[in-house]
Amino acid sequence: GIQVEQSPPDLILQEGANSTLRCNFSDSVNNLQWFHQNPWGQLINLFYIPSGTKQNGRLSATTVATERYSLLYISSSQTTDSGVYFCAVERGGGADGLTFGKGTHLIIQP
Amino acid sequence: NAGVTQTPKFQVLKTGQSMTLQCAQDMNHNSMYWYRQDPGMGLRLIYYSASEGTTDKGEVPNGYNVSRLNKREFSLRLESAAPSQTSVYFCASITFPNTEAFFGQGTRLTVV
Repeated sequence: GIQVEQSPPDLILQEGANSTLRCNFSDSVNNLQWFHQNPWGQLINLFYIPSGTKQNGRLSATTVATERYSLLYISSSQTTDSGVYFCAVERGGGADGLTFGKGTHLIIQP
Repeated sequence: NAGVTQTPKFQVLKTGQSMTLQCAQDMNHNSMYWYRQDPGMGLRLIYYSASEGTTDKGEVPNGYNVSRLNKREFSLRLESAAPSQTSVYFCASITFPNTEAFFGQGTRLTVV
């Protein structure tokens, strides 16, 4: 099956810092999503981004499908940004479901 | 619009007991999925249903069964719970192609 690797596995930053999270995948995909899992365990959709660039407030994401990677940018970090960020991909057609990376655990310190 | 609703939120079972996790979505999505999440790992697919009336095994199906009751509902059953099934379970729904998946709030299951 498709492999998804996220880096770094852990990241500790001070409030106000910027960060870049990376997701590499091993095959072409029709679906790529970024999720934030908050400390209560809820999975929150951040971006649906199989290709191109999107921005939502302090967060933005870029997927370069031809090179099989995606980047999530967080600017001016806040303590509420803490949690685990997952990248998930799907090759197409819905037959396999989303395959998740192991996530990046982000801690924002005040 | 509730999205994806899972019940129960928490459950403690004794080894050998059975239970069913319920999932319902109100977004008219065709496909539904059950995942489990263990500490330090991403989500792993247990079973999926690409459309009403069909179900297929995912990466970790052993010890589980599923039923796609109708387009809205997809249940996961543990026939004889084992401590290795202690995990957080997530249900998700999506319609392909070119849409995003939505997840329920999760069920935290402990088997003692």
